[in-house]
Amino acid sequence: GQNIDQPTEMTATEGAIVQINCTYQTSGFNGLFWYQQHAGEAPTFLSYNVLDGLEEKGRFSSFLSRSKGYSYLLLKELQMKDSASYLCAVRDPRDTGRRALTFGSGTRLQVQP
Amino acid sequence: DTAVSQTPKYLVTQMGNDKSIKCEQNLGHDTMYWYKQDSKKFLKIMFSYNNKELIINETVPNRFSPKSPDKAHLNLHINSLELGDSAVYFCASSTRTGGYEQYFGPGTRLTVT
Repeated sequence: GQNIDQPTEMTATEGAIVQINCTYQTSGFNGLFWYQQHAGEAPTFLSYNVLDGLEEKGRFSSFLSRSKGYSYLLLKELQMKDSASYLCAVRDPRDTGRRALTFGSGTRLQVQP
Repeated sequence: DTAVSQTPKYLVTQMGNDKSIKCEQNLGHDTMYWYKQDSKKFLKIMFSYNNKELIINETVPNRFSPKSPDKAHLNLHINSLELGDSAVYFCASSTRTGGYEQYFGPGTRLTVT
């Protein structure tokens, strides 16, 4: 089976940097995703990591350590619009045809002025 | 130029009724999914179709039946609705190459009374 853990809630200040952690235990590994979901809206894709290291995309970066079963999403220069839930997800490792994602319960980030 | 669309956006119905949710994607993707997001915001895979063929059918009551008339459409029919079926249902589609990142529709909020 697959188990994904991330903090339930976080609070940060506008302009600051925040790191959202995700740990996972899976029977295999086939890629890790981060999604952003604003209240009442659909999840939107942020990043994808399949190899160890840091992937940077503007204000957002995502890091992966496969040996530790660990990832984090780093948000820089926080803006009020970054207040949302951030979902960590791993791709089903059973075979390449099974592309479904298993999601963590999400981290609700509140950005304060 | 909507990428993944769902209808209806809201669905309120009584226990025991049968209802359908429709999904269409114009991204040219070959794989489509249905996810359920419960009141605790936990997003869980229900079904996956690849090129009109059912690939994943997680532990979902057989009252739920997906139908894919072609690669661009994946509908979800629910028989004998129960109170516990109340949730937001998201359709998604994924790319054939790269990380297979998934693109989600706007969701259908189903309320069973």
